[in-house]
Amino acid sequence: GENVEQHPSTLSVQEGDSAVIKCTYSDSASNYFPWYKQELGKRPQLIIDIRSNVGEKKDQRIAVTLNKTAKHFSLHITETQPEDSAVYFCAAPWGGGSYIPTFGRGTSLIVHP
Amino acid sequence: ETGVTQTPRHLVMGMTNKKSLKCEQHLGHNAMYWYKQSAKKPLELMFVYSLEERVENNSVPSRFSPECPNSSHLFLHLHTLQPEDSALYLCASSQEWRGGGTGELFFGEGSRLTVL
Repeated sequence: GENVEQHPSTLSVQEGDSAVIKCTYSDSASNYFPWYKQELGKRPQLIIDIRSNVGEKKDQRIAVTLNKTAKHFSLHITETQPEDSAVYFCAAPWGGGSYIPTFGRGTSLIVHP
Repeated sequence: ETGVTQTPRHLVMGMTNKKSLKCEQHLGHNAMYWYKQSAKKPLELMFVYSLEERVENNSVPSRFSPECPNSSHLFLHLHTLQPEDSALYLCASSQEWRGGGTGELFFGEGSRLTVL
């Protein structure tokens, strides 16, 4: 299966700052990269995803960038708010063009008011 | 009932017990998944069923046995578990690409398992 590395494991920021979480993957055939957010005691939910035919995608305060050559992708959150505090997981396909997500170890984001 | 529902939400079992976790999805999806969530490995894929095909993580011990009788129901049968199997077991479903979907996973709320 795919090997997904995610950094950092913990990220602490002040409200209004930006936060960046990075992931690398190993299979050059991978073509779909989602990000999930899991609030404390709740289920993971998709917040944004990107496919390999684009390099960047934005949705309000969140964006994802993809560098296929370097095999890494990043989540960017601008103007962070306390409600952004959660664990964020990146994912890449289980194997090549597979649809099955395999997840990174997660990043615990803490936004201090 | 909509979305993905899991029962029971909490389960305590001894090492010699046999129990099952149940998952039901009401989204018309064609793929269902079991993930294990623990502090050690936050979201570890265990099994996938899609379009009658089964995919599994080869590192899952045989004391975990999945069953998918149809596209809406998924079970995880548990027997002779170990204390290190204590974790949150998350079920998910998706409409995968071969079925014209996006591949987005919709998770249930999880079954919290404690093995004594």
